[in-house]
Amino acid sequence: AQSVTQLDSHVSVSEGTPVLLRCNYSSSYSPSLFWYVQHPNKGLQLLLKYTSAATLVKGINGFEAEFKKSETSFHLTKPSAHMSDAAEYFCVVSQSNTGNQFYFGTGTSLTVIP
Amino acid sequence: KAGVTQTPRYLIKTRGQQVTLSCSPISGHRSVSWYQQTPGQGLQFLFEYFSETQRNKGNFPGRFSGRQFSNSRSEMNVSTLELGDSALYLCASSLAPGVYQPQHFGDGTRLSIL
Repeated sequence: AQSVTQLDSHVSVSEGTPVLLRCNYSSSYSPSLFWYVQHPNKGLQLLLKYTSAATLVKGINGFEAEFKKSETSFHLTKPSAHMSDAAEYFCVVSQSNTGNQFYFGTGTSLTVIP
Repeated sequence: KAGVTQTPRYLIKTRGQQVTLSCSPISGHRSVSWYQQTPGQGLQFLFEYFSETQRNKGNFPGRFSGRQFSNSRSEMNVSTLELGDSALYLCASSLAPGVYQPQHFGDGTRLSIL
């Protein structure tokens, strides 16, 4: 079975400081992993994806994530938080034996303090 | 290129009624998935369509149904509405089914049941 756990439901950082949003997954097969961001009253926007290529994945808006198979983790990071980064972030796993069915984490709400 | 378009954006219904939500995918995208998002349950997969055929279905009652047209546009129908159906319904499209294909989301339809 596959699942994804976002370890923090809320994260607060000061503007200009690093961001770390943690995600662990469980998967019986080689997974594809994604991070999405959702701003209030909006749909989800793709930040980045891992699909068995380079383990360090760079996304939009300065975000990146590293796939660590040994730790079954896919944490999202950004060197310097911006006020516009305040949003809900979702880690998502999908794998070949489930077709195109995506499994979403419960989300991490990021607050950026000015 | 236009994104995923969902109509209407907001909808208010009463218990027992039925509702139809519409989704127009990104041009060229042939796979459409639907999700229900609520504060308590998070994002839950409803179903996925490709080439007018339902490929995957989540764990929802038969009151929830959908279809896809030859132009890839999709509709979702909920009959005999219940209070618990109040949610943000998100549609996502991708080029084709497959774990390597990221999904692109619309802004959703917010359904409120009175």
